[in-house]
Amino acid sequence: EEQLVESGGGLVKPGGSLRLSCVASGFTFSSYNMNWVRQAPGKGLEWVSSINSGSAAIYYADSVKGRFTISRDNAKNSLFLQVRSLRGEDTAIYYCARAGRWLVDVFDIWGQGIMVTVSS
Amino acid sequence: EIVLTQSPATLSLSPGQRATLSCGASESVSSSYLAWYQQKPGLAPRLLIYDASSRATGIPDRFSGSGSETDFTLTISRLEPEDFAVYYCQQYAISPITFGQGTRLEIK
Repeated sequence: EEQLVESGGGLVKPGGSLRLSCVASGFTFSSYNMNWVRQAPGKGLEWVSSINSGSAAIYYADSVKGRFTISRDNAKNSLFLQVRSLRGEDTAIYYCARAGRWLVDVFDIWGQGIMVTVSS
Repeated sequence: EIVLTQSPATLSLSPGQRATLSCGASESVSSSYLAWYQQKPGLAPRLLIYDASSRATGIPDRFSGSGSETDFTLTISRLEPEDFAVYYCQQYAISPITFGQGTRLEIK
């Protein structure tokens, strides 16, 4: 079964940092472009960042540019999101999601999500 | 960026009825690179439709997508109890990827 499992979320103070992880199984992780998508409580979906299969191409939403860093380790079937300088508006469930075909594409496999709460 | 506007915000229907959900784009979505997702409470979104009209793997044929350029539609031909959820459209024609604000489909 193709699966993504996130970890690393939690409660953090404004200005703090976290490193989110996503481990893939059931498919050849190194062949796929990957993404992070977030959802604030009771709100809609917001794309956060994309990384291509070889880490050569990376995109960020303007709302996180300069504060978040996406990376991956294909040998460990893992995707990461380093989040820094956190603000209240970063409070959300963070999902890792597989891009189906291209770097800018539909998300055909999603993790269960991990909650990040930014509060003093 | 392309802004997607979904309507209605909430749709109240009964099982067995037909549902029509709309997604309008602020500019043309090239190659009909538009998708639809279903999200149930506490769960991750699930891909239903991609490229405007292609059903994702395992999606029942009561779900269909149509449209082009700036106007897209998701149709559920006969609602089943498990179809009541929130639906989002997404465009992936131009970065940044953007989503609509969602349509809540509720049981009447």
